[in-house]
Amino acid sequence: NAGVTQTPKFQVLKTGQSMTLQCAQDMNHNSMYWYRQDPGMGLRLIYYSASEGTTDKGEVPNGYNVSRLNKREFSLRLESAAPSQTSVYFCASSEDRVDTNYGYTFGSGTRLTVV
Amino acid sequence: EDQVTQSPEALRLQEGESSSLNCSYTVSGLRGLFWYRQDPGKGPEFLFTLYSAGEEKEKERLKATLTKKESFLHITAPKPEDSATYLCGSGGSNYKLTFGKGTLLTVNP
Repeated sequence: NAGVTQTPKFQVLKTGQSMTLQCAQDMNHNSMYWYRQDPGMGLRLIYYSASEGTTDKGEVPNGYNVSRLNKREFSLRLESAAPSQTSVYFCASSEDRVDTNYGYTFGSGTRLTVV
Repeated sequence: EDQVTQSPEALRLQEGESSSLNCSYTVSGLRGLFWYRQDPGKGPEFLFTLYSAGEEKEKERLKATLTKKESFLHITAPKPEDSATYLCGSGGSNYKLTFGKGTLLTVNP
């Protein structure tokens, strides 16, 4: 099925460990995004990539890095995980910077716990 | 700065009891007002896009409307399977979607 695939679905890290969240889309979309979702805070943009080869900071970029590996893949890296990064992470994609038909297509999320 | 505020934060209805969810937005150059549904443990799922004041769209028991400052998601005769978090997002001239915090809807049988 076409869509956005995120791996892993669940992860537990110890404080200070590093990890990379993977995201791939098969809809030939130009733009990709990483959000985090916390109770009472809604969806907050971490980083986005308007097109292959470009990345920009969103609302809450501190502690994260991203790589737009190719048009399909956009990864999010935590270099030194902190308990404050415990969250649900969503990757999304859109045909253009704002797809005026559907907004974004979201993946199913990665549930990350940092202990 | 674009802002989206949703109310109420949570809404509990009896099956068949109609109601509305509110989304107030402040955005320059609105390119679209989006409604999503999110079930527990899943990613948001697209419902509607509204582009201009006065526009309405319907899907089963849901109808979304748009004014220059607000959007409403009307739920007519809801069923328990309509229980979910409903997210509103605005797309503005900065080419990004700004989301509200969502309304958690619970429909009791």
